[in-house]
Amino acid sequence: QKEVEQDPGPLSVPEGAIVSLNCTYSNSAFQYFMWYRQYSRKGPELLMYTYSSGNKEDGRFTAQVDKSSKYISLFIRDSQPSDSATYLCAMSSSNTGKLIFGQGTTLQVKP
Amino acid sequence: AAGVIQSPRHLIKEKRETATLKCYPIPRHDTVYWYQQGPGQDPQFLISFYEKMQSDKGSIPDRFSAQQFSDYHSELNMSSLELGDSALYFCASSLIWGVSNTGELFFGEGSRLTVL
Repeated sequence: QKEVEQDPGPLSVPEGAIVSLNCTYSNSAFQYFMWYRQYSRKGPELLMYTYSSGNKEDGRFTAQVDKSSKYISLFIRDSQPSDSATYLCAMSSSNTGKLIFGQGTTLQVKP
Repeated sequence: AAGVIQSPRHLIKEKRETATLKCYPIPRHDTVYWYQQGPGQDPQFLISFYEKMQSDKGSIPDRFSAQQFSDYHSELNMSSLELGDSALYFCASSLIWGVSNTGELFFGEGSRLTVL
């Protein structure tokens, strides 16, 4: 069983929809939680970063971490076609940059 | 703004050959990370360097080696290539040892290695 589980999708939504992306994990030592967006043939780019539990909001994006349930979420409001990409959750037990990634969820936002 | 530069972007090799990938981190970044992403797979951490010293090691095969040079660029050397080594290899850099206050590793666009 992988340390981080993420539904690979694909997930297809109409423009303007609220998107919910989720990951579960098994390692209770994880403290740093990130969401990366990866366009085709490009490197991952950081969207959201959360340390320990709690919520964080940045524009149309909200990240939630529930350490008690070992569950993290990314919400995208008012989704746009330009949000179409693969979204990877990543986490780490220490601030060493050694990230454990989920499989990535492919999102398509249709105009 | 300058980003992480990787070369070559594409590389085709035969089995049992050797390949070298290069990574030029963002100026002033002192930590470099290598990740391998197989087709349809999540990125897997290979190895990292801080101030030219190996700082952490992941699932890197013994056939692979890497180093960081005095100008902070890094090279990943892969020998006795196997079909399963075909993947996208990402380099990432960060400003300080470990994840910065923003948790951001800056990734390059990757080097796609195809082993025939």
